[in-house]
Amino acid sequence: GAVVSQHPSWVICKSGTSVKIECRSLDFQATTMFWYRQFPKQSLMLMATSNEGSKATYEQGVEKDKFLINHASLTLSTLTVTSAHPEDSSFYICSARDGTDSGEQFFGPGTRLTVL
Amino acid sequence: GQNIDQPTEMTATEGAIVQINCTYQTSGFNGLFWYQQHAGEAPTFLSYNVLDGLEEKGRFSSFLSRSKGYSYLLLKELQMKDSASYLCALMDSNYQLIWGAGTKLIIKP
Repeated sequence: GAVVSQHPSWVICKSGTSVKIECRSLDFQATTMFWYRQFPKQSLMLMATSNEGSKATYEQGVEKDKFLINHASLTLSTLTVTSAHPEDSSFYICSARDGTDSGEQFFGPGTRLTVL
Repeated sequence: GQNIDQPTEMTATEGAIVQINCTYQTSGFNGLFWYQQHAGEAPTFLSYNVLDGLEEKGRFSSFLSRSKGYSYLLLKELQMKDSASYLCALMDSNYQLIWGAGTKLIIKP
């Protein structure tokens, strides 16, 4: 089956620093990748959709200058949380779609970010 | 707009059967997914329905009625490891997933 990896699995950083999270599709080309955020005991919240080679489409309420998304290749997308603050602490999950008709999204294992 | 409703929490007994319902309203529909999510982990795919009817996959089955805007996930022979959140997700006309809030399933011995 399709495999998506994320790195790092968890990260702790100081307030004001920037954190980069990588999402890779290991055995397929991901035409579209999605970034989600999930707070404890809440459902997934879509942050943005990125297509390879074009600018990401951000959901309403998500600051594009704070959450920088780069989808430079068909196998890699990165999310950079700039000037992180404690309220950005969350579980960040990426998913990738391979462009087939099923539309199934394959999820990475997630990155737990804690901002002190 | 779209709206998805599923129960917040359910409790069932090991070895029993449980049905988790999901109702939705949408203007565009390209299928309905069920995902399982254990605490602290990413969701894992369980099923996909785009046509009416029942899809069976081992102990798990999923049903869809497009005219009623209704789906359910049926879990048989429950095991303790089935304790998790079950997420219903609707794929809209733009092929984006709209997520339900999830149903936390608690399995008791």
